[in-house]
Amino acid sequence: GAVVSQHPSRVICKSGTSVKIECRSLDFQATTMFWYRQFPKQSLMLMATSNEGSKATYEQGVEKDKFLINHASLTLSTLTVTSAHPEDSSFYICSARQTSSYNSPLHFGNGTRLTVT
Amino acid sequence: AQKITQTQPGMFVQEKEAVTLDCTYDTSDQSYGLFWYKQPSSGEMIFLIYQGSYDEQNATEGRYSLNFQKARKSANLVISASQLGDSAMYFCAMREPESSASKIIFGSGTRLSIRP
Repeated sequence: GAVVSQHPSRVICKSGTSVKIECRSLDFQATTMFWYRQFPKQSLMLMATSNEGSKATYEQGVEKDKFLINHASLTLSTLTVTSAHPEDSSFYICSARQTSSYNSPLHFGNGTRLTVT
Repeated sequence: AQKITQTQPGMFVQEKEAVTLDCTYDTSDQSYGLFWYKQPSSGEMIFLIYQGSYDEQNATEGRYSLNFQKARKSANLVISASQLGDSAMYFCAMREPESSASKIIFGSGTRLSIRP
């Protein structure tokens, strides 16, 4: 069964509003979670690394004030898209490793398709 | 900087045939990990197979095997006896050297279509 749960799966919002996406690890603690963005027919682009109890690490070119990440507990990370605009419309997907071992793969949530009108 | 290259944007294969999806990578690190993921049209990312840089044998998982050629820096995915349900996007990915927060970067993907 799924080890990472992401909610909502689909959201439509108006331009200028904010949207929060939740990512939960099920039955395991994740000190680190990763947020990816995927445009249609493109690859996954890492946006940021979410660290429990500390600030997220953002990839180059990703606006930290635009994409707020909070990792308040060992099982929950949230991504808030602030003042959303149509160009923020995309597929957002979170992931976490179930164990800290090197060969442990990332387990992904089912993603959130955001449409900004 | 690490880089993953998938040169086949799309492939068509007849059902029951074997298919090889290419993946090359570039890294100066000696220790790294390579992954393959499948993404159906529904969007979820499904982990298929893993190969560590120090693994001497090629990884296998059911119908999936990884043809790992370290000197050539390639990690091709081989799917045997393809099925209609194998139609999806396939991503090769690489993990940075071991650390508490080592991230995984993805290639551009290959869209595989299985013909009945």
